[in-house]
Parts: sequence; structure tokens; C-alpha cells
Amino acid sequence: DAGVTQSPTHLIKTRGQQVTLRCSPKSGHDTVSWYQQALGQGPQFIFQYYEEEERQRGNFPDRFSGHQFPNYSSELNVNALLLGDSALYLCASSSVSGGEQFFGPGTRLTVL
Amino acid sequence: AQTVTQSQPEMSVQEAETVTLSCTYDTSESDYYLFWYKQPPSRQMILVIRQEAYKQQNATENRFSVNFQKAAKSFSLKISDSQLGDAAMYFCAYRSPDYNQGGKLIFGQGTELSVKP
Repeated sequence: DAGVTQSPTHLIKTRGQQVTLRCSPKSGHDTVSWYQQALGQGPQFIFQYYEEEERQRGNFPDRFSGHQFPNYSSELNVNALLLGDSALYLCASSSVSGGEQFFGPGTRLTVL
Repeated sequence: AQTVTQSQPEMSVQEAETVTLSCTYDTSESDYYLFWYKQPPSRQMILVIRQEAYKQQNATENRFSVNFQKAAKSFSLKISDSQLGDAAMYFCAYRSPDYNQGGKLIFGQGTELSVKP
């Protein structure tokens, strides 16, 4: 049983560019959450998707957007990248009926 | 809004010894979930242990146990018989049971645990 997968592993972008990160949830999970983890900090909740809709959003600007597909996989898009967007982006999947969030290995984004 | 605080940025323990990591939180909810996650250098966040606030009994998972003090809003993690593989960043996290909260996790700042051979 494959766990949560994320792609790419690493990404380098320049300021002003746009980036798309991808996440496939654990088998049987229907909910995907995204977190941003700056270096030396705890993860911060960005948003959560269920039934292809944004269910809840953290304190992040509109430059951060997402999407969930019918197969429950998800994308995180960030527009107009800033240096401060450099971080590890974690995806976590769970079941809306309850249970734990399982995390993927993350995507390391570096903005130059 | 709920907050989680880990006041120990770094901790060190000798192999086979016991170490306790501290966590405090603030919430106005009476029911909630608390977690300890481990993040090794590989970056994969791994669930170590969970505690439901309505349960008075402290959770235990093999060498890992918690001391949950609801009135004091304290949730510490005890690691017994420490092993080299326990070296990692440990995060304390809170989750509201409220469906409208979306099940988001609120994390502390983390405690870096090193294990000396």
C-alpha cells in the first residue's frame, strides 16, 4: 500500500514565477491538507480539500491556491513567488470520517 | 485561537536513558486531540502517539508515553530506553474535533532531540 506521495522532491524557482506541487493521498483517503514548513519551524496549515472543494483555509494569501481531482489527488499552486515562500511543503491525507493524517515526504521549494 | 508551545528548542539524551519533551497548549475547547510527531532528517513526518482529551488515561506506545495534564494544558512526551534512531525533530500538535475546523493540525515550534551513543 503506497503511502502519501509528493512530487517533485526539490524545486528551484526565481521570484515572480509560479509553481505547482502535487500530492497523491494514501489509498482509501479522501481528504488532503497542505502545510508550509519554514526552516526550523513547525508546519503551518495552508488549506484542506475534500470533495474537490476547499474545506478550510489557514492564514495564507490568495497567491496560494489549490485543487483536488476526482481521484482525490491534489495540487498546490503558488503565484508570484517571494523569497519568503522558500520552505518545505507537506501534504497530508486523511479520511473525512476520522482518523489520523498521514504525511508525505514533502517538496523542498527554494525561491532565488 | 488555539496555540501550541514547545519551550525546549533542543534536548539531548544518552542512549538507553529516558528523556521527557515538554509541550503546553492553549484552547477554550473541552474536547480535542493531541499528538506527538517525529520528523527525522528524511523530513517524513511520522505519528508517534495520540491522546484524546476526554480520556483520563495517558497514552502509551511501546517506549513512548505521554503525561497529559488537562487542567494545566500540558502534554509531555517521555521516551524510555532511548535509541540512536530516536534522534529527530519532535513536534507537538493540536487538533480540534470540530468538523468545521477541517481537522487542521496546529503545531508547536519543535524540539530537536539528539541521542548520544
